[in-house]
Formats: sequence, C-alpha cells, structure tokens
Amino acid sequence: DAGVIQSPRHEVTEMGQEVTLRCKPISGHDYLFWYRQTMMRGLELLIYFNNNVPIDDSGMPEDRFSAKMPNASFSTLKIQPSEPRDSAVYFCASSSRKGFGANTGELFFGEGSRLTVL
Amino acid sequence: QQPVQSPQAVILREGEDAVINCSSSKALYSVHWYRQKHGEAPVFLMILLKGGEQKGHDKISASFNEKKQQSSLYLTASQLSYSGTYFCGTGRNQFYFGTGTSLTVIP
Repeated sequence: DAGVIQSPRHEVTEMGQEVTLRCKPISGHDYLFWYRQTMMRGLELLIYFNNNVPIDDSGMPEDRFSAKMPNASFSTLKIQPSEPRDSAVYFCASSSRKGFGANTGELFFGEGSRLTVL
Repeated sequence: QQPVQSPQAVILREGEDAVINCSSSKALYSVHWYRQKHGEAPVFLMILLKGGEQKGHDKISASFNEKKQQSSLYLTASQLSYSGTYFCGTGRNQFYFGTGTSLTVIP
C-alpha cells in the first residue's frame, strides 16, 4: 500500500490567504486524524474522523480552521484566513482502530505539510 | 493532560543504554511509543495494552505500569539509527502525545 499521502509538502503563503491541506488515508482505515506540530506545543490533535464523520474537533484552535472528509479516501484541512501563528507542520494519520482507549491501534502518519505564513 | 516525558534530551555514545519515561496524571489505558527523525513523520514502535505488559523488538523494549500511571522505553546497546525524538501517546477518550525526548547517539 502507498501509505498516507499528504499534499502539499511545503506551503508558503501570506497572512490572510486561504490554505488547504489534503490527505489520502490508507485504504480500509476507518479513522483519520489531523495533527499539528510546533516546537512550543509539540504534537496536538486537531480533529479526528471515524467513517468520514467528524467525532471530536475540540482541538481545532478557532473558527478559522475547518476540516472535511467527503469520502473514505480524502480529507482536507482548511485555514481561512491564515495567520503567522498557524505556521507549523500538519500531519495526517490514519488507523484501522481508534488511537486511544482500550481498543487502540497503530497510527500511520503521512509525511506532513510544512506551512509557513508570512 | 499531556503525558510528561523525562528526560527531555539525552546524548549517548554508540553501545550505551537509555531509559525514557512517560508519566500521566490520569489513568493510562494503553500506551503507544513512536520515534520521529528530524524532518520526518512519527513512526510507530509499539503499543502496550495493559498494565504489566512488556514488549520489545530488536533492542528496544517497553514496560507499562498501570498503577504508577507510567511507561518506560528501554534502548539497549544504542545504535546511530536510534537518534530521533521519542514520543509516548495515551488517552481514554482523546489521544495525547507526550512532551517528547530528544535522543542523540554519537559514535
């Protein structure tokens, strides 16, 4: 299998612009996670989906962030308008099981999208 | 709610051993361990599903002490390829990665 595929790998944009990050999970995985990684805050869970349905978006920083999963093979994370403090590496991960609790499974990460907002 | 890892950073010479600890203020239901090399994505190492469980592959192993709400990762006879940042991860209704431990192995 190809693994989790993210695009773009690098994005440089100016403050106020819209940013869309894309993710294709591993086929057959029911869970999809979006993480943000910064030096200050480490790896933060933003939102996760189960069978294309958003289950927990409590980690989404504010209304400027939105995520969708229109089908089992595609998800987007959108930031509108973007701000310099959004600069980070955004990871998408998928799993055949929840990544937490008693019934947990390995998370497979994409290579990440490095976002720089000037 | 983020698990706390210790030490924050460690430098080893090839062949030396290291222990990385992961502690949580809340009950641990399962513990994941991942390694992330610079500029790359985290890569899964292992999961411990219940208290008392110990696992390992190659020269990396881990233990899970449910009562103490902590897990430890053991790296023995370290190799240059072990360098990276190690994260534990746990949670019940949410998943939190630990604060991370930077491990550098030098020749």
